[in-house]
Amino acid sequence: GALVYQYPRRTICKSGTSMRMECQAVGFQATSVAWYRQSPQKTFELIALSTVNSAIKYEQNFTQEKFPISHPNLSFSSMTVLNAYLEDRGLYLCGARATGPGQLYFGEGSKLTVL
Amino acid sequence: GDSVTQTEGLVTLTEGLPVMLNCTYQTIYSNPFLFWYVHYLNESPRLLLKSSTDNKRTEHQGFHATLHKSSSSFHLQKSSAQLSDSALYYCALIFYGGSGNKLIFGTGTLLSVKP
Repeated sequence: GALVYQYPRRTICKSGTSMRMECQAVGFQATSVAWYRQSPQKTFELIALSTVNSAIKYEQNFTQEKFPISHPNLSFSSMTVLNAYLEDRGLYLCGARATGPGQLYFGEGSKLTVL
Repeated sequence: GDSVTQTEGLVTLTEGLPVMLNCTYQTIYSNPFLFWYVHYLNESPRLLLKSSTDNKRTEHQGFHATLHKSSSSFHLQKSSAQLSDSALYYCALIFYGGSGNKLIFGTGTLLSVKP
């Protein structure tokens, strides 16, 4: 079956430092990978959508300078939260999708705590 | 703009009663895909139901939903709530447009089933 492994599951970092998270798709080719953030008490916010062989599209309020994403092949994607501060706390999720319309397969999430 | 609305933030039910979680959407695209994801604590969100076919009932694990394009709705229902149904439920809209793909989540509804 299709699975997405996401790691690390939890990170505690000092304010101003960075955190990198990775997603590995297994059992399907992840043509598109969406990165989300669930801030405390909030819904999932789409950070960016990455499609292989296309430019990464960032949503309003999110930038490549703050959340650089790499999607080098059909099974792997990573995102870094640079210079993390309190407002960056939350659960970061990757959702991967194969070619064509269809469901996202989610990773288990990377919880970021900023001290 | 495009949006997904879940009017209830919290639904509390007694076990055995019927479940209905509301989801309406707004989009300019005529063929959106609607999804319900369920998110149990400490697990990754997983797909519960999906549909892109107007007026066709889709079922899974006792839950069902029908996409009604005339009313832009995709309400989630179950005839009899179980304690194990307690979780966060997200309605999501996915469409594929000329300007790129879009994935939008509703704010989520926390379903709490009591004995």
